[in-house]
Amino acid sequence: AQSVTQLGSHVSVSEGALVLLRCNYSSSVPPYLFWYVQYPNQGLQLLLKYTTGATLVKGINGFEAEFKKSETSFHLTKPSAHMSDAAEYFCAVSGERGSNYKLTFGKGTLLTVNP
Amino acid sequence: NAGVMQNPRHLVRRRGQEARLRCSPMKGHSHVYWYRQLPEEGLKFMVYLQKENIIDESGMPKERFSAEFPKEGPSILRIQQVVRGDSAAYFCASSGQYNSPLHFGNGTRLTVT
Repeated sequence: AQSVTQLGSHVSVSEGALVLLRCNYSSSVPPYLFWYVQYPNQGLQLLLKYTTGATLVKGINGFEAEFKKSETSFHLTKPSAHMSDAAEYFCAVSGERGSNYKLTFGKGTLLTVNP
Repeated sequence: NAGVMQNPRHLVRRRGQEARLRCSPMKGHSHVYWYRQLPEEGLKFMVYLQKENIIDESGMPKERFSAEFPKEGPSILRIQQVVRGDSAAYFCASSGQYNSPLHFGNGTRLTVT
């Protein structure tokens, strides 16, 4: 079975500060890992994903995440927060090898950016 | 905007009634997926459909829940004889091809009173 734990349901940073959103997973198969973002009043959209190969994955809007198998982690980072980054972020793991759709999501982390 | 459209945004039903949730995929997408987010939990996969076919329903509850994606019109998630435990946010997603990235709608918040 697959599961995702996002540490911190709410993270608050100042504009220009480092963003770090934590995600740990468990998976019975080699995982595909995803980060989705949900802006207010919008649907979830894919930020980035890890399938195989390079463990540092770059996504949209300057975000990146690193897959660390030994730590079963896939933390999301951005060097400098912008006001427009305020949103809810969801980490997800694939329930089946090679599947992009049978996902199990974490509970989400709400990111607020203070001026 | 040709994004994934879900309606209604909010739905209130009394115990024992039926709930019908609709999802129109993005233009050009023929693959539809339904997810459910129970209170204090993350989204979980329910069912994957293509036009007129259920491809994977491994996440669907065995009773009272059904889904369809007819040749014409939106995909429908139907919950019969709703109970309070069905109260959740139901999200629909679509993709253009199998295993392409998913595009999600805003969700339907179902409240059972």
